Amino acid sequence: ELQLVESGGGLVQPGGSLRLSCAASGFTFSNSWMHWVRQAPGKGLVWVSNINSDGSSANYADSVKGRFTISRDNAKRTLYLQMNSLRAEDTAVYYCARVDGHACQQWGQGTLVTVSS
Amino acid sequence: QTVVTQEPSFSVSPGGTVTLTCGLSSGSVSTSYYPSWYQQTPGQAPRTLIYNTNTRSSGVLDRFSGSILGNKAALTITGAQADDESDYYCALFMGSGIWVFGGGTKLTVL
Repeated sequence: ELQLVESGGGLVQPGGSLRLSCAASGFTFSNSWMHWVRQAPGKGLVWVSNINSDGSSANYADSVKGRFTISRDNAKRTLYLQMNSLRAEDTAVYYCARVDGHACQQWGQGTLVTVSS
Repeated sequence: QTVVTQEPSFSVSPGGTVTLTCGLSSGSVSTSYYPSWYQQTPGQAPRTLIYNTNTRSSGVLDRFSGSILGNKAALTITGAQADDESDYYCALFMGSGIWVFGGGTKLTVL
């Protein structure tokens, strides 16, 4: 069964850092592009970042460019999101998703990041 | 900056048909944007319904269909049921590896 499990969320102060992880199973992770998508409380989905299958290319939304870094370890079947210089507006549930056919095909359950003093 | 537009809310009667749309603040949506559609109920992760404009994701019933209508992408739900009451999001591929989600449509079945 295909599964994506996010972890690493929590409470962090403004200006702080956090690294999210997404453990993948049930599919050939090393062949899949991956997305991070976030959702602030009571708000809609927002695309954050994606990475190609071998990790050589990444893209970011303007709102996180220069602060967030996406990466992956195909040997560990794990996707990461390093988040630095966090702001209150980064507070959200962060989902990882497997990409296929130019779409998010499977989603994790999400991990909550709260940026607050 | 291009904004992806969706109706904030919509209502449909049980058994009825509803079409939700996904547009651009500037320009027209075409198949080149690879529109996709997602369903989300409160507290749950999104579920993928449609990708590449009109391809149903695995396990999605044929009551859900995608298309291009005029200058927008569209999601049509036929035979609406109570458990279709959800938030629906579209996403567009903007090129250069960038995706954008619409603001979502809250669908009420009543």
